[in-house]
Amino acid sequence: DTAVSQTPKYLVTQMGNDKSIKCEQNLGHDTMYWYKQDSKKFLKIMFSYNNKELIINETVPNRFSPKSPDKAHLNLHINSLELGDSAVYFCASSERYNEQFFGPGTRLTVL
Amino acid sequence: DAKTTQPPSMDCAEGRAANLPCNHSTISGNEYVYWYRQIHSQGPQYIIHGLKNNETNEMASLIITEDRKSSTLILPHATLRDTAVYYCIVRVNNNNAGNMLTFGGGTRLMVKP
Repeated sequence: DTAVSQTPKYLVTQMGNDKSIKCEQNLGHDTMYWYKQDSKKFLKIMFSYNNKELIINETVPNRFSPKSPDKAHLNLHINSLELGDSAVYFCASSERYNEQFFGPGTRLTVL
Repeated sequence: DAKTTQPPSMDCAEGRAANLPCNHSTISGNEYVYWYRQIHSQGPQYIIHGLKNNETNEMASLIITEDRKSSTLILPHATLRDTAVYYCIVRVNNNNAGNMLTFGGGTRLMVKP
């Protein structure tokens, strides 16, 4: 009965590859998010998305793109992976602007 | 969102109250104070939030000063499982700017036996 789930938990890949991280929430929320936590443990918002609007943090490279097949899913696609993309990525969801529920994270390692 | 300032780390004895301060001197009248925490290797977890009045739930209490320029999160009886990084965030409760959370450095709380 996990509220926000992510797959995979760990992802190891080579530079230049394209990869995806999946996120699903079963809370019936209308808004989902992606956050990045780097090696220094700073958490930064990447995207906010509901069925009406995608808002992108201006610092996010366009190699990153969120895709939402339905309200319960927000997947993160990353093209041409770079070493600096290594981090833990967290998905979250909320109902409108209420408190956010976070997933367990996906640790991405780019070699 | 208004900037917040928190001490980088604090210790607390198990069973005692943990009082975590947060300064938000530039907070606007329509900004709420939110607290989240992140236990090692887990996703952040919502704790509590408030606007003006003190708030209490099953996890913690939130005390906001009358001028709203600072607040304190209180864990009444800290346990070892409360060891985590605690984040104080101030933000407006609306859908403008995508409802994004801006995390600072937080306070690393170490609960000791």
